[in-house]
Amino acid sequence: GAVVSQHPSWVICKSGTSVKIECRSLDFQATTMFWYRQFPKQSLMLMATSNEGSKATYEQGVEKDKFLINHASLTLSTLTVTSAHPEDSSFYICSASGLAGGGTDTQYFGPGTRLTVL
Amino acid sequence: QQQVKQSPQSLIVQKGGISIINCAYENTAFDYFPWYQQFPGKGPALLIAIRPDVSEKKEGRFTISFNKSAKQFSLHIMDSQPGDSATYFCAASHQAGTALIFGKGTTLSVSS
Repeated sequence: GAVVSQHPSWVICKSGTSVKIECRSLDFQATTMFWYRQFPKQSLMLMATSNEGSKATYEQGVEKDKFLINHASLTLSTLTVTSAHPEDSSFYICSASGLAGGGTDTQYFGPGTRLTVL
Repeated sequence: QQQVKQSPQSLIVQKGGISIINCAYENTAFDYFPWYQQFPGKGPALLIAIRPDVSEKKEGRFTISFNKSAKQFSLHIMDSQPGDSATYFCAASHQAGTALIFGKGTTLSVSS
């Protein structure tokens, strides 16, 4: 149990376009979802926290108008990178927590989405 | 200010040996301490986690040791195998459902 999926697993786009990444909890209801960004050989950097039906809370330095997060249901959150630029190229990972056996503390991570902006 | 400090940055262990990774935290409000394993190009996978009310937790070859007074916790991998070669992250959180604070990671290489 406690499976989180992400789609797509990788995406290449042109500079100036928008890209949407989906994060789904497949076998539990995720009351909270998190979006992280990871650069090569570095740790995970929290971008934002979203609760179902509420506006996302962004970390300091993360542009909320550029990284749009929607958490419309207990199983789906989306991250849209608007007007993407090469510096947005990164590995984006979502995680979800909820009543998945481990309790609400446990975060289960998706497999990540590799975004490359040309 | 780095709230969770992880060491070493990299570690090489012979097959069958013990791998030890250490983490120290500053915020005494933290009450949940997980360890994640990440392979290249994949998302982190939860290995084992502990709460401050116990000093040790063991799951298979993986053991967490927790020292509340020293604000330190460590991951021990017994009988390390080449398949354990990955990056390991310690993390902490202070409230159910809140975001994890991650250490910088340790790259483990187990030589055969």
